[in-house]
Amino acid sequence: DTGVSQNPRHKITKRGQNVTFRCDPISEHNRLYWYRQTLGQGPEFLTYFQNEAQLEKSRLLSDRFSAERPKGSFSTLEIQRTEQGDSAMYLCASSVHAGGRGTEAFFGQGTRLTVV
Amino acid sequence: GNSVTQMEGPVTLSEEAFLTINCTYTATGYPSLFWYVQYPGEGLQLLLKATKADDKGSNKGFEATYRKETTSFHLEKGSVQVSDSAVYFCALLYSTLTFGKGTMLLVSP
Repeated sequence: DTGVSQNPRHKITKRGQNVTFRCDPISEHNRLYWYRQTLGQGPEFLTYFQNEAQLEKSRLLSDRFSAERPKGSFSTLEIQRTEQGDSAMYLCASSVHAGGRGTEAFFGQGTRLTVV
Repeated sequence: GNSVTQMEGPVTLSEEAFLTINCTYTATGYPSLFWYVQYPGEGLQLLLKATKADDKGSNKGFEATYRKETTSFHLEKGSVQVSDSAVYFCALLYSTLTFGKGTMLLVSP
């Protein structure tokens, strides 16, 4: 399967703990997005990378959230000192973006985080 | 900033009925437009796209036309099936990919 892969699929953690999620995009896709989705809502933008550069981060995103894409391939999203309000589905997507134009993004299955 | 507004759901239809889900957008430039679908318990899948004004995207009997003059990208299907029951998201791409809140479609036999 050469689609977007996210791990783990499910994560249950205690409040205050740190968690890290991984996303492997489609090979040769230079753009990678992270979104958060809660029940009944649309995906909420968190951040995106063009190759290894993090080009934009949501102003609503807490400083407890950090993302990396060190070699322009896979990406990690870390949440420090988790809170119950962080419980959500975290989605990763990738696409090709060149010449100022982008193509459709392909999504992974998501990582469902539950903070207890 | 960029934003997408979709009609609120749920939209409840009988099988073979005509479907319209309204979507309007606000963007600082000329975005590409998409419809994504999310079936229960599954991830987001691209349904169709349009990259410039007057383009019509189509897939699986669904259609949407990029209307620059009305900044709209309404989703239509002539005859829905029970298997079309899902949540539909309208999205625009201009720098980042921005989604609407989604519209749930429920189709009964």
